[in-house]
Amino acid sequence: DGGITQSPKYLFRKEGQNVTLSCEQNLNHDAMYWYRQDPGQGLRLIYYSQIVNDFQKGDIAEGYSVSREKKESFPLTVTSAQKNPTAFYLCASRSGPSRGNTEAFFGQGTRLTVV
Amino acid sequence: AQTVTQSQPEMSVQEAETVTLSCTYDTSESDYYLFWYKQPPSRQMILVIRQEAYKQQNATENRFSVNFQKAAKSFSLKISDSQLGDAAMYFCAYRSYTGANSKLTFGKGITLSVRP
Repeated sequence: DGGITQSPKYLFRKEGQNVTLSCEQNLNHDAMYWYRQDPGQGLRLIYYSQIVNDFQKGDIAEGYSVSREKKESFPLTVTSAQKNPTAFYLCASRSGPSRGNTEAFFGQGTRLTVV
Repeated sequence: AQTVTQSQPEMSVQEAETVTLSCTYDTSESDYYLFWYKQPPSRQMILVIRQEAYKQQNATENRFSVNFQKAAKSFSLKISDSQLGDAAMYFCAYRSYTGANSKLTFGKGITLSVRP
């Protein structure tokens, strides 16, 4: 079955450590997104990528980094520079920019907790 | 930059009744897409309904319909015959039509509770 897989579902990180969240899709989608969800804040865009080897900063990119070496994969690294990383992280993907391909599909999320 | 505003943090509806969730947005573009997503307690985001700005007709999906007012930049979601399974967070979202900018912007969401 096609879909988006985020792993792990729960992640614990010690302060000062970098951690990488995985996002893989087998939908052959071009665009991929990372969002952070905090209570009362909605979904805030961290990074997005429209094609392989290219990505753009979203609204809250500081303290995060991404790569897009393969179409299927868009990992997110939460670095030690991110001051408040505890949150729920959602990955999404969407097909190409043609008029008929509009909706984004989401993974099940990763809950990151700094201990 | 585009912004999406959902000013009501919470709403409640009686089972079988109708409820309307509000959303406004700000953009200088003329062609774009609007979406309503549902996030139940499982936290899996589910697309409820979409609207293309170039279409004047309001989108409808079974019990879900929208009231799209382009001039007023308003995009409300109406849920008819509310069911217990409709209880969730609902997010309004905006995306530009142009392929050069596929940024998808969400509002802060509204928590809908359904009373039996």
